[in-house]
Amino acid sequence: GDSVTQMEGPVTLSEEAFLTINCTYTATGYPSLFWYVQYPGEGLQLLLKATKADDKGSNKGFEATYRKETTSFHLEKGSVQVSDSAVYFCALSGSGGSYIPTFGRGTSLIVHP
Amino acid sequence: ETGVTQSPTHLIKTRGQQVTLRCSSQSGHNTVSWYQQALGQGPQFIFQYYREEENGRGNFPPRFSGLQFPNYSSELNVNALELDDSALYLCASSLGLGTGGTEAFFGQGTRLTVV
Repeated sequence: GDSVTQMEGPVTLSEEAFLTINCTYTATGYPSLFWYVQYPGEGLQLLLKATKADDKGSNKGFEATYRKETTSFHLEKGSVQVSDSAVYFCALSGSGGSYIPTFGRGTSLIVHP
Repeated sequence: ETGVTQSPTHLIKTRGQQVTLRCSSQSGHNTVSWYQQALGQGPQFIFQYYREEENGRGNFPPRFSGLQFPNYSSELNVNALELDDSALYLCASSLGLGTGGTEAFFGQGTRLTVV
């Protein structure tokens, strides 16, 4: 079945550091890929998405590129802020004609001033 | 434009009891999905409703059931509660079934504790 693997957290960075959170997936066909963010005590918010190979999703300084050859969708940001502290989830859907989404376990990001 | 709202926000139940969680979808959205998020885990898909019909189900037993109303709000019912049902239950709404790339908008969740 489909699966999403994210790097273990927590990821701890100083403000203005470069961020990478790795995400790889296993799926049938060509799924759409997503990054969601969950702030403490809140539900998930869509951060960015990509629907086909080589697409780059971007939002709020975050970027991720759909790499079919390496089945990856790594999240990056050039300069993190304390307000970026949250849990980040990589997800896929639309694999093999199914719209049932599959989420990774989440990666906690902690940014210190 | 109202967002997705869930009620209650917190709930404590005893093992063996039944619980009903409620979700009001975002205005104009006709698809509602429910997820279970255990502590430290990603959301697990329970089921989805599209125009009042179940449209997909994850790996959850039949004691997890749902309903979608004509106004597209939804309920999640769990019978015979078990300790392992303790989790954050998330509702997400979207417009149509899309192509898999449709954005879903999540509520803040209901924190269920089974004792």
